[in-house]
Amino acid sequence: QQQVKQSPQSLIVQKGGISIINCAYENTAFDYFPWYQQFPGKGPALLIAIRPDVSEKKEGRFTISFNKSAKQFSLHIMDSQPGDSATYFCAASRLTNDYKLSFGAGTTVTVRA
Amino acid sequence: SAVISQKPSRDICQRGTSLTIQCQVDSQVTMMFWYRQQPGQSLTLIATANQGSEATYESGFVIDKFPISRPNLTFSTLTVSNMSPEDSSIYLCSVDWENTGELFFGEGSRLTVL
Repeated sequence: QQQVKQSPQSLIVQKGGISIINCAYENTAFDYFPWYQQFPGKGPALLIAIRPDVSEKKEGRFTISFNKSAKQFSLHIMDSQPGDSATYFCAASRLTNDYKLSFGAGTTVTVRA
Repeated sequence: SAVISQKPSRDICQRGTSLTIQCQVDSQVTMMFWYRQQPGQSLTLIATANQGSEATYESGFVIDKFPISRPNLTFSTLTVSNMSPEDSSIYLCSVDWENTGELFFGEGSRLTVL
């Protein structure tokens, strides 16, 4: 049973465009929502994370939007660059409990020059 | 953040053999985890490696198949026992950074079983 559902499975965006990836969760005990970026042959790298007490967090070109009532969160990549081409995973965990991450299925983003 | 080193980075193994993967961290960490990433798939938690005690396994994973050791706060091993082609995956070590809940991952050990 997948605790975090992620969509789309893949997306193609033109250079300079906006990439949007969506995730939904069921477990209301989750209180930490990170996004990871993974390049082929590499381990996942923590990109940005949010906690449910805020609705948005921005770091450079990456923004997380969080909707607690809908149990959804999304990653926006502004001004997408070819170097952003990677697989992105959303995840969720319970900081008050065990830190174990439940991952979404992943989204492969391709940025065309 | 912590620097996490995994060995081997990749290996090709024969069916029925076992392989031990090492994870070394450059600083002491409390929480250490082992994940599996099957080809083209997401990450699935295998177990939490507990220092000085037996690992805590997730549903679907058992100690006989994936024995784990954690002798200290900077080192852990995962053994994949009696391997079959279905065990071909990337195995990833992950650590919590300074008890913040931010998990960092090693580069992974890519295992191919023939």
